[in-house]
Amino acid sequence: EPEVTQTPSHQVTQMGQEVILRCVPISNHLYFYWYRQILGQKVEFLVSFYNNEISEKSEIFDDQFSVERPDGSNFTLKIRSTKLEDSAMYFCASSEWKGSPEGQYFGPGTRLTVT
Amino acid sequence: EDQVTQSPEALRLQEGESSSLNCSYTVSGLRGLFWYRQDPGKGPEFLFTLYSAGEEKEKERLKATLTKKESFLHITAPKPEDSATYLCAVPFSGGYNKLIFGAGTRLAVHP
Repeated sequence: EPEVTQTPSHQVTQMGQEVILRCVPISNHLYFYWYRQILGQKVEFLVSFYNNEISEKSEIFDDQFSVERPDGSNFTLKIRSTKLEDSAMYFCASSEWKGSPEGQYFGPGTRLTVT
Repeated sequence: EDQVTQSPEALRLQEGESSSLNCSYTVSGLRGLFWYRQDPGKGPEFLFTLYSAGEEKEKERLKATLTKKESFLHITAPKPEDSATYLCAVPFSGGYNKLIFGAGTRLAVHP
């Protein structure tokens, strides 16, 4: 069964450093997303991406964050100058189209720890 | 304001003891309500999509139903492997992409 994959599974970084989280969405999907989940809190939407541009973003997704689809398979989230409060699980998701009845398929997540 | 509220926060059941989880939502123009299962340290796993009041979906011991203001996830004769956090989510008003999640119900099923 096709699945979304994410690397690394765990990333530890020092405050102020830049990190890049990587995702490989399901191959025939056209919409890509990033969510985050701070420990013990709700899953929160960060950004959606379609046709090589951001289609929607939340207030969390400020200038510190950027997304890119550098090639035909990868989808990345870059966090510049990380802060302690960026520590969270970051989930990539993809869907065949917007409003797809199969929903958004989530990857296993990258646990980001900022020290 | 768009909002998703789930209850109870946590639920402990004996194996075989059926129960229901609730998800209430306030959003304009519902474009689907999604149920996910999340195991500790893992990503949400898609279970069901419901679109209109009266709709029901079933998968093994799980049945999801939808009304105009809430959804229920009924668990019939649960087994320990059903233990997980169950999340519901709806698309933000006016869009399809941004999912708003509830805080989830942590279900523990004991033998």
